Amino acid sequence: GAGVSQSPSNKVTEKGKDVELRCDPISGHTALYWYRQSLGQGLEFLIYFQGNSAPDKSGLPSDRFSAERTGGSVSTLTIQRTQQEDSAVYLCASSWGTSRNEQYFGPGTRLTVT
Amino acid sequence: SQQGEEDPQALSIQEGENATMNCSYKTSINNLQWYRQNSGRGLVHLILIRSNEREKHSGRLRVTLDTSKKSSSLLITASRAADTASYFCATVNNAGNMLTFGGGTRLMVKP
Repeated sequence: GAGVSQSPSNKVTEKGKDVELRCDPISGHTALYWYRQSLGQGLEFLIYFQGNSAPDKSGLPSDRFSAERTGGSVSTLTIQRTQQEDSAVYLCASSWGTSRNEQYFGPGTRLTVT
Repeated sequence: SQQGEEDPQALSIQEGENATMNCSYKTSINNLQWYRQNSGRGLVHLILIRSNEREKHSGRLRVTLDTSKKSSSLLITASRAADTASYFCATVNNAGNMLTFGGGTRLMVKP
């Protein structure tokens, strides 16, 4: 079946604007994750959804960041009042069950804040 | 903060040689996973080794895990130019609700 998809693939926005990034996980995967990767760096965990449980938001860097997962499927990561330091690749992943299992990653959204 | 730290940060070898990458971590884990990333985009899962396993093989990949030393290694045998990528280790905590990535090793295999 189809893998994890993300949109848009690239997004350029002006400082101060809001952006929404979308993730479509693999059908049937109960867990969904958002990560951020700055140029040449490792992955920084942002948020984790597991089924209908309250999401683990411990990785969100500020209250400008929020995420939703509607109907246990599609997720949207929203960054309000973007700053230049928000520029990064935002990666979404999904998995069966918990993060004990392998994660399947989408191609990412490259966000550039000018 | 990063749980896993890869070593070396960058590795350059000739095609046909073996490549060894190491990963150290700090806290107890449920399992450790290795991922590969091309061109700074999506990651591809390579192999998962559980905390009660010591060694695992998949094709040209061999992963070891030493929980007493809190370290793991990824060996790629008979490397190919197509193996050029960044390789990340990621640890899963005992609660199974957190996957923490290290900083990665950039591997370049010269043809």
